[in-house]
Amino acid sequence: AQSVTQLDSHVSVSEGTPVLLRCNYSSSYSPSLFWYVQHPNKGLQLLLKYTSAATLVKGINGFEAEFKKSETSFHLTKPSAHMSDAAEYFCVVTVNSGNTPLVFGKGTRLSVIA
Amino acid sequence: DAMVIQNPRYQVTQFGKPVTLSCSQTLNHNVMYWYQQKSSQAPKLLFHYYDKDFNNEADTPDNFQSRRPNTSFCFLDIRSPGLGDAAMYLCATSRGRLALDEQYFGPGTRLTVT
Repeated sequence: AQSVTQLDSHVSVSEGTPVLLRCNYSSSYSPSLFWYVQHPNKGLQLLLKYTSAATLVKGINGFEAEFKKSETSFHLTKPSAHMSDAAEYFCVVTVNSGNTPLVFGKGTRLSVIA
Repeated sequence: DAMVIQNPRYQVTQFGKPVTLSCSQTLNHNVMYWYQQKSSQAPKLLFHYYDKDFNNEADTPDNFQSRRPNTSFCFLDIRSPGLGDAAMYLCATSRGRLALDEQYFGPGTRLTVT
């Protein structure tokens, strides 16, 4: 079975400072991991995904995440926060094969202060 | 350019009155999903279609049904909405069901039950 834990329900940063959203996962098989972003009253948009290739994954809007198997982590980072980054972020896990559904974390709400 | 379209964006229904939510896609994807997302929670998969093959999640209530008359359209029917069914309903599509197959989400329909 797969599960994902987002360690912070809310993160607040100042504009221009780094962003760190933490995610730990559990998977019985080789996992695939994703970060999705959801702006208020909007659908989810894929930021980036890891599917067993390079462990450092670059996504859209300057975000990146590093898969660390030894730490079972997939933290999301961005060097400099922008006001438009304020949103809900979901870490998601599934397995590489078969039709296993996506398992979502509970989400982290990112606030960006001017 | 919209790829996954959901109508209506906001729906108000009365307790016990059947309601249908609509999703259409221009991506010609094989798989269509319905998720329920309650306030400040992660999306929860209700069911999905792989082509015409319907796949229900084990804990989806019988009150929720779905139809997929063709590749482009998929409907979510709530036979007797209760107050607890008030939520955002997200439709998503993917080419296949593997982890490599990115899910594309629509903007959602926010359902209010009075």
